[in-house]
Amino acid sequence: EPEVTQTPSHQVTQMGQEVILRCVPISNHLYFYWYRQILGQKVEFLVSFYNNEISEKSEIFDDQFSVERPDGSNFTLKIRSTKLEDSAMYFCASSEVDRPNQPQHFGDGTRLSIL
Amino acid sequence: KQEVTQIPAALSVPEGENLVLNCSFTDSAIYNLQWFRQDPGKGLTSLLLIQSSQREQTSGRLNASLDKSSGRSTLYIAASQPGDSATYLCAVTAGGYNKLIFGAGTRLAVHP
Repeated sequence: EPEVTQTPSHQVTQMGQEVILRCVPISNHLYFYWYRQILGQKVEFLVSFYNNEISEKSEIFDDQFSVERPDGSNFTLKIRSTKLEDSAMYFCASSEVDRPNQPQHFGDGTRLSIL
Repeated sequence: KQEVTQIPAALSVPEGENLVLNCSFTDSAIYNLQWFRQDPGKGLTSLLLIQSSQREQTSGRLNASLDKSSGRSTLYIAASQPGDSATYLCAVTAGGYNKLIFGAGTRLAVHP
């Protein structure tokens, strides 16, 4: 069964450094998402992306965050200047179309640790 | 603002029991509701999706129901097994673009 893949599985970065998290969504999917889960807390929506532009973003997704689909397969999340509070598990998800019967499929996540 | 609550936060049962996990949401104007399973340190596996027009969905030993008007969903697990041990998350979508709003999850332990 096709799956969403995320790399790396674990990223350790010094505070203030830039980090790029990578995702390869399922190939025929059109909608892409990033979520994060701080340890012990709920999974939180960050951003959705469709047709090469952001369709919705949360309050968390400030100017330090950006997303890009640099080619036909990758979807990336960049954090420009990382803070300690950015430490979390980051999940990428994709869905085929924007219909109520279509589930979102999640990757295994990237654990981001800011030192 | 949509809020999703899951009860209980944790549950420990002996193998073979039938069990019910509860999810409630504050705004009934949802697009659909998904139940996920999360193993420690892993991603989210979609178990069941119920559209807002549906009342229930079944997959194997899992059955999920939805009562949109009262803002509730239940996940029923029949004949639980140790392999069912995981955290179960409920999430709803509202509005366009399918943004998921998650509950905090129920951590399930099934012991032999």
